[in-house]
Amino acid sequence: QVQLVESGGGLVKPGGSLRLSCAASGFTFSDYYMSWIRQAPGKGLEWVSYISSSSSYTNYADSVKGRFTISRDNAKNSLYLQMNSLRAEDTAVYYCARDTNRVGDYWGQGTLVTVSS
Amino acid sequence: EIVLTQSPATLSLSPGERATLSCRASQSVSSYLAWYQQKPGQAPRLLIYDASNRATGIPARFSGSGSGTDFTLTISSLEPEDFAVYYCQQRSNWPPVHTFGPGTKVDIK
Repeated sequence: QVQLVESGGGLVKPGGSLRLSCAASGFTFSDYYMSWIRQAPGKGLEWVSYISSSSSYTNYADSVKGRFTISRDNAKNSLYLQMNSLRAEDTAVYYCARDTNRVGDYWGQGTLVTVSS
Repeated sequence: EIVLTQSPATLSLSPGERATLSCRASQSVSSYLAWYQQKPGQAPRLLIYDASNRATGIPARFSGSGSGTDFTLTISSLEPEDFAVYYCQQRSNWPPVHTFGPGTKVDIK
């Protein structure tokens, strides 16, 4: 069955960096576009970034553009999110999701990122 | 940029009642509209895609309708496990930006 498992979250100071990972299994990872979506505590969902199956195309929300970088390693069935210059407002649960026909059809359980001094 | 609005913000109903949730887009999204359910402490779960298609394993009591700018998620008879927050979502063709609505909370009356 499809599984997505995020890791790498934690507590980081403002201005710091963190790298999130998402391990995929149960499907042909290299066939699918993938996304990162976040959810601040008690708030709604916010799409963060998107990467095509071959990494040829990426896109970012304006709120993270220039600070976050999405990447993937199809040989390792893994998705990544490098987050730099973190701010308090980046505090959220970060989900990876498989993108099929413009929707996230499978989601991981999420990893919590807390940005605080 | 397409903006999604959802109404009502909260819907208080009893088990067995019918729930009707609305999602409106600021411009046409054709039929590229999805609905998700999220329970506390859990990841969102895809319910409906392309406005009216149920995702794998989703019970028939969930149905979606609409096109263009106005969409509806209907739960025909609420089960206890259906009390949750529901989000609509669209992804534009170009650039491929996902947009979520603010959510509708369905709680027990």
